[in-house]
Amino acid sequence: GNSVTQMEGPVTLSEEAFLTINCTYTATGYPSLFWYVQYPGEGLQLLLKATKADDKGSNKGFEATYRKETTSFHLEKGSVQVSDSAVYFCALSDDQGDTGRRALTFGSGTRLQVQP
Amino acid sequence: GAGVSQSPSNKVTEKGKDVELRCDPISGHTALYWYRQSLGQGLEFLIYFQGNSAPDKSGLPSDRFSAERTGGSVSTLTIQRTQQEDSAVYLCASSLTPGQGAGELFFGEGSRLTVL
Repeated sequence: GNSVTQMEGPVTLSEEAFLTINCTYTATGYPSLFWYVQYPGEGLQLLLKATKADDKGSNKGFEATYRKETTSFHLEKGSVQVSDSAVYFCALSDDQGDTGRRALTFGSGTRLQVQP
Repeated sequence: GAGVSQSPSNKVTEKGKDVELRCDPISGHTALYWYRQSLGQGLEFLIYFQGNSAPDKSGLPSDRFSAERTGGSVSTLTIQRTQQEDSAVYLCASSLTPGQGAGELFFGEGSRLTVL
């Protein structure tokens, strides 16, 4: 079955530090890959996505590249801010065949704490 | 409202009681999902509704859990005879018809259930 593995948190960084949150996946076929973010007191929201190998998703200074050869989709940001403190979830979407259900399989989430 | 709305935001109940959680999806979104987020765990898929099709109940953990969606819009998740292990945040999400938007889900803020 499909699965997503993320690095355990919390990750604690100082403002302006470089961020990497690792994500690897196991899936049949050719899934789409996503990063969702959950800010304190808010619902999950899509941060970025990539739908095929070698695509790079980017948003708000965050980037992630779909690496089929290493089955990875690591999240990076060159300079984090306090406002980036949140929980980050890696996810994959794999069409469920006849049902057409694009179920999302999520990782366990990584909490990022950015200190001023 | 413009987003996915869930109620109640917090629910404390006694073991053995029944609870109902409500989700009002984004207008025009035909797909609706329920997920469960337990402390330190990723998001666990529970159930999926798509238009008038039979729901995909493959993620429901036991027959104490059920859900319905009336008129293709509002959904209610019911947990009967609650147990302490049911304590979690229950998240609802909606999306456009599968195949569009490459799996982007829009989440509500969740209903936090605590079973004493």
